[in-house]
Amino acid sequence: SQQGEEDPQALSIQEGENATMNCSYKTSINNLQWYRQNSGRGLVHLILIRSNEREKHSGRLRVTLDTSKKSSSLLITASRAADTASYFCGSIQGAQKLVFGQGTRLTINP
Amino acid sequence: GAVVSQHPSWVICKSGTSVKIECRSLDFQATTMFWYRQFPKQSLMLMATSNEGSKATYEQGVEKDKFLINHASLTLSTLTVTSAHPEDSSFYICSATPLQGSTYGYTFGSGTRLTVV
Repeated sequence: SQQGEEDPQALSIQEGENATMNCSYKTSINNLQWYRQNSGRGLVHLILIRSNEREKHSGRLRVTLDTSKKSSSLLITASRAADTASYFCGSIQGAQKLVFGQGTRLTINP
Repeated sequence: GAVVSQHPSWVICKSGTSVKIECRSLDFQATTMFWYRQFPKQSLMLMATSNEGSKATYEQGVEKDKFLINHASLTLSTLTVTSAHPEDSSFYICSATPLQGSTYGYTFGSGTRLTVV
């Protein structure tokens, strides 16, 4: 990928369980962003965490950032079938270029 | 909220023809827009940065003569795939941000599925 690695590449869990996705990036960042993509659609911005933040919450989403390890994680709690999608982390390179990791395909089984 | 409209959502064309994809920011001005390409079950690869009133900046390995980008106004960028071949079949997505810099999330179009036959 243009940014770094994400793991796992695919994750399948039961509804109600928590889902954790990890992302690593290559360069220094001002912020790291997480996006969701439903099959065949565009991306939807979920949450942004700044480089001086270590953790951020938004509803059932929790994002952590470890700049020393150049890594971030996205936790989705109490998963629902509607959470089935691909999730990408993105970082800014240069002035404004947003580049993405490989993504995690999340499947929530009812 | 910020909305980016992309058109068409899908297109089928014959080999050798050209296809134009439009990306519009509906409720904000975007001096910069971005074009991505995505193959099935893969991530988005940034192709180029579209700059209003100036030439686009292409990522390494992207043929600028094949993927023509025009950003003639603050709300419209177009990507033209010239002399399309089957290997150009892909999902193309544009994005923009309503604010200068990158301190907020980006807004994406809904994507264009291009099939070259």
